[in-house]
Amino acid sequence: DGGITQSPKYLFRKEGQNVTLSCEQNLNHDAMYWYRQDPGQGLRLIYYSQIVNDFQKGDIAEGYSVSREKKESFPLTVTSAQKNPTAFYLCASRRDRTNTEAFFGQGTRLTVV
Amino acid sequence: KQEVTQIPAALSVPEGENLVLNCSFTDSAIYNLQWFRQDPGKGLTSLLLIQSSQREQTSGRLNASLDKSSGRSTLYIAASQPGDSATYLCAVDSSNTGKLIFGQGTTLQVKP
Repeated sequence: DGGITQSPKYLFRKEGQNVTLSCEQNLNHDAMYWYRQDPGQGLRLIYYSQIVNDFQKGDIAEGYSVSREKKESFPLTVTSAQKNPTAFYLCASRRDRTNTEAFFGQGTRLTVV
Repeated sequence: KQEVTQIPAALSVPEGENLVLNCSFTDSAIYNLQWFRQDPGKGLTSLLLIQSSQREQTSGRLNASLDKSSGRSTLYIAASQPGDSATYLCAVDSSNTGKLIFGQGTTLQVKP
């Protein structure tokens, strides 16, 4: 079955630690996106990539980093510079950047301990 | 700057009722609008995508309409069922990058 796989489902981060969230898709989509969801707020865009080896900052990129070395993979690193990382993180992909459906993974819940 | 608003934030209806969820956006220059469903603790499931040139899309008991000039979209759910209970999110694509701008969602409860 084609889809988007995010792992892990739950992640706990200690203060000052970097953690990496995995996002893999087998839909052969060009564009991939990372969103953050906080209670009572809509999803906000962190980073996006429209093609391999290229990515752009979204609205809340500070404290995060990404890479796009392969078409099917778009990992997100939450660095120690992100002061309030506790949230639900969602990865999405689209066949291309225009007029195509966005498909989402099942999310990773990150908690600072 | 594009802003998306969904009203009401929560809605509770008895089973079998037809209902309408509302979505409004401030900038009518959009490429498309998409409706999603989210169950608690889960990812988003795409329901309907309406391109800017379209007025409506239908899938089963769901019908979404788009009025770009007034900055509004509605999601109509016919004959609601308890399994329809979830949060419904609308999102607009107003750039040529595929980035989506989301509303805060409407949480729907359908009571048996």
